[in-house]
Amino acid sequence: RKEVEQDPGPFNVPEGATVAFNCTYSNSASQSFFWYRQDCRKEPKLLMSVYSSGNEDGRFTAQLNRASQYISLLIRDSKLSDSATYLCVVGYGQNFVFGPGTRLSVLP
Amino acid sequence: GAGVSQTPSNKVTEKGKYVELRCDPISGHTALYWYRQSLGQGPEFLIYFQGTGAADDSGLPNDRFFAVRPEGSVSTLKIQRTERGDSAVYLCASSSYRGLATGELFFGEGSRLTVL
Repeated sequence: RKEVEQDPGPFNVPEGATVAFNCTYSNSASQSFFWYRQDCRKEPKLLMSVYSSGNEDGRFTAQLNRASQYISLLIRDSKLSDSATYLCVVGYGQNFVFGPGTRLSVLP
Repeated sequence: GAGVSQTPSNKVTEKGKYVELRCDPISGHTALYWYRQSLGQGPEFLIYFQGTGAADDSGLPNDRFFAVRPEGSVSTLKIQRTERGDSAVYLCASSSYRGLATGELFFGEGSRLTVL
């Protein structure tokens, strides 16, 4: 079993749709959680951290359930510019483990 | 520029050859990571430096892979006797001490290695 698993995707959604990505992790000692975004043939960039209480950044909402070892990312009112691969990242100490990513295509 | 710089951006080599990939992190960043990414996969951890020392090299796949950071800034990833399975994009990332707490790794654009 991989340390970090994500929905296989790809997700193809129309503009304006709401889309949710799921991620599970196996290491119960994991301490920190993040979502990164990676555009095609570009480097990954931090999208947002994920906190136990849940957190929101504009159209993006992240949730963490430590008991279930589950992380989610919700994108509301999808824009064409949201098209990218979304990488779930789990950290313990200063080690960061990336999931395989879920590709999102927002269609006009 | 002010970002992480990686050279070469593309490297094509023959099976069995030796390759060096260079990473120049953001100035002042003490933490430096090497990952590799195959098509359709997420970045796979290779090695992490804090300053000059390798704090965690558990991701290096075998003894053909080696990385150094002699002065705590520039790092070189070295691959001996390359194999076709080594073909991937090799990503370098750096972070400050404060950045590690927020999980913010700054990645370079990567070095795309193709082993023929």
